[in-house]
Amino acid sequence: QVHLQESGPGLVKPSQTLSLTCTISGGSVSYGGYYWSWIRQHPGKGLEWIGYIYYNGDTYYNPSLKSLVTISIDTSKSQFSLQLSSVTAADTAVYYCARSSGAGTLPYYFDSWGQGTLVTVSS
Amino acid sequence: DIVMTQSPDSLAVSLGERATINCNSSQSVFYSSNIQNYLAWYQQKPGQPPRLLIYWASTRESGVPDRFSGSGSETDFTLTISSLQPEDVAVYYCQQYYRKPFLFGGGTKVEIK
Repeated sequence: QVHLQESGPGLVKPSQTLSLTCTISGGSVSYGGYYWSWIRQHPGKGLEWIGYIYYNGDTYYNPSLKSLVTISIDTSKSQFSLQLSSVTAADTAVYYCARSSGAGTLPYYFDSWGQGTLVTVSS
Repeated sequence: DIVMTQSPDSLAVSLGERATINCNSSQSVFYSSNIQNYLAWYQQKPGQPPRLLIYWASTRESGVPDRFSGSGSETDFTLTISSLQPEDVAVYYCQQYYRKPFLFGGGTKVEIK
């Protein structure tokens, strides 16, 4: 049973870079066939998919955030990370990491989720 | 983008009664080559991450009670809870994975009447 756990600062100042890490246990980011995503949820709102990374480093970002987002992977540590630059109060949200199986270049549904971590953007 | 629209925004159902949630996609999410609808349903309880309930529009995830069922094709989908239980109080989301970016519906809040 794969387990995902987000970690990182809970408070980020405006204009700075938000950095989060997702650590996988009970599985590995090194195996093909799985895609690793970041998803966020603004307080009291719905779900927004940020982007994914594949084990070989291929990425895809939601065009709504593309210019601000970087997702990277460290297979040696079974981790993948999110960087969101130039944050504003509008980036205050719970950030989830999640896993999808998939085929070719298309991930499928999100079958495993981390517990989520609240990141507040405030001075 | 394929926009997902859910209805209603919320509904209150008596215990043991049926709850029906609708999800409409702005474009078809049916892939004819494998005869699959690229549509999933999730349940989110307060303070918890979403939980996968249904994928391929109608396939129940392992461990999900059989009172949950998914139906529909192309652009119109339904999640049905056949006999509402107290533990089913949650927000339910649909999501398409037919084309990137993967968008979720706005959510439907299910409460006990």
